[in-house]
Amino acid sequence: NAGVMQNPRHLVRRRGQEARLRCSPVKGHSHVYWYRQLPEEGLKFMVYLQKENIIDESGMPKERFSAEFPKEGPSILRIQQVVRGDSAAYFCASSPNRAARLNTGELFFGEGSRLTVL
Amino acid sequence: RKEVEQDPGPFNVPEGATVAFNCTYSNSASQSFFWYRQDCRKEPKLLMSVYSSGNEDGRFTAQLNRASQYISLLIRDSKLSDSATYLCVVNSGYALNFGKGTSLLVTP
Repeated sequence: NAGVMQNPRHLVRRRGQEARLRCSPVKGHSHVYWYRQLPEEGLKFMVYLQKENIIDESGMPKERFSAEFPKEGPSILRIQQVVRGDSAAYFCASSPNRAARLNTGELFFGEGSRLTVL
Repeated sequence: RKEVEQDPGPFNVPEGATVAFNCTYSNSASQSFFWYRQDCRKEPKLLMSVYSSGNEDGRFTAQLNRASQYISLLIRDSKLSDSATYLCVVNSGYALNFGKGTSLLVTP
């Protein structure tokens, strides 16, 4: 009965390197959301994906950030050429379908991936 | 103006006290409202939905005022285990928008 699985839980990168964060949603969930939480800040929506489709990426920075949710395998959030300001906790959440999510408000969150950029 | 605004606190209250948190939202088209709880360095978890008629879940009562775009959460008989950050959440299109949270510390 696995929930949302995120890995790595902790990731350290030097400026200019790439960070890849992975998220496996709850089994049977086809909707994935990525949120970022900066230190002392609230959760900020980044992107909403369904299998093989990006539905809403209005919260994604215009450069260096990308996300995918392939037909097979986990969703990936990729940050290229990381900078110190990218240091944050990145949370992935899933829901079974958008209507259900809107009705219940329940996004199932993973424990987050904490990125530290040196 | 931020979409969801909350008093960050912290609220320090003794066990058994009643405490209330408030939240305002800017998008009048929002349809769904929630309170989430986030423990230190953990993921957020849904606490309860908020309905216009008001709703209660044990010691927790949530209220929504659509005219004022205002949401509240009341916790009665506070327990030590209630210590956490409480996030006001409002839907916006495809996503849920989270407030920065209000920090609660319940002391013995």
